[in-house]
Amino acid sequence: QVKLLQSGAALVKPGASVKMSCKASGYTFTDYWVSWVKQSHGKSLEWIGEIYPNSGATNFNEKFKGKATLTVDKSTSTAYMELSRLTSEDSAIYYCTRGAYWGQGTLVTVSS
Amino acid sequence: DVVMTQTPVSLSLAIGQPASISCKSSQSLLGTSGKTFLNWILQRPGQSPKRLIYQVSKLYSEVPDRFSGSGSETEFTLKISRVEAEDLGVYYCWQGTHFPYTFGAGTKLELK
Repeated sequence: QVKLLQSGAALVKPGASVKMSCKASGYTFTDYWVSWVKQSHGKSLEWIGEIYPNSGATNFNEKFKGKATLTVDKSTSTAYMELSRLTSEDSAIYYCTRGAYWGQGTLVTVSS
Repeated sequence: DVVMTQTPVSLSLAIGQPASISCKSSQSLLGTSGKTFLNWILQRPGQSPKRLIYQVSKLYSEVPDRFSGSGSETEFTLKISRVEAEDLGVYYCWQGTHFPYTFGAGTKLELK
């Protein structure tokens, strides 16, 4: 069955970067767009952007351009998102999703 | 960006009662393909979102048929014919027609 397994929680300092992963299984990784979604504490969901693993093509929410970088490793069926120049506003749970399927989320805490 | 407005913010219902959640979009979600990419997901407490309905009214295979979706253009509704204990959580509508994809603020279903 389709699974998206995300990397564990991260505690990072302000100004630093963090890279999280989303390992896909149960389907052909290169056939489907993978999106990343942010959920700040107790709040709704924000779409960050998406990547098409076959070509590396991306689409971004303008709000997250310059903040998020999306990449994939086709050899391991893994999607990555790196967030840069972190501030407290970036503290949130980040989900990868194939639309119909969601990862379990990665909690990022930005604190000195 | 397309604004998704959900009402009510919360619902408190007894088991067996019907539920209805409205989702209105600031622009038509009918795409150039002729499809309307309006989806519903449920986030149970402490869990990642789970798929419910795609393209307005299509239930995923594992979703009980007490759930139904309807609507067109800018107005959509999720209905539960008889609420069960496992239905509690926050329901979100989200659109995948226009970039950036956007989510409603959520409707919290609580049990009386």
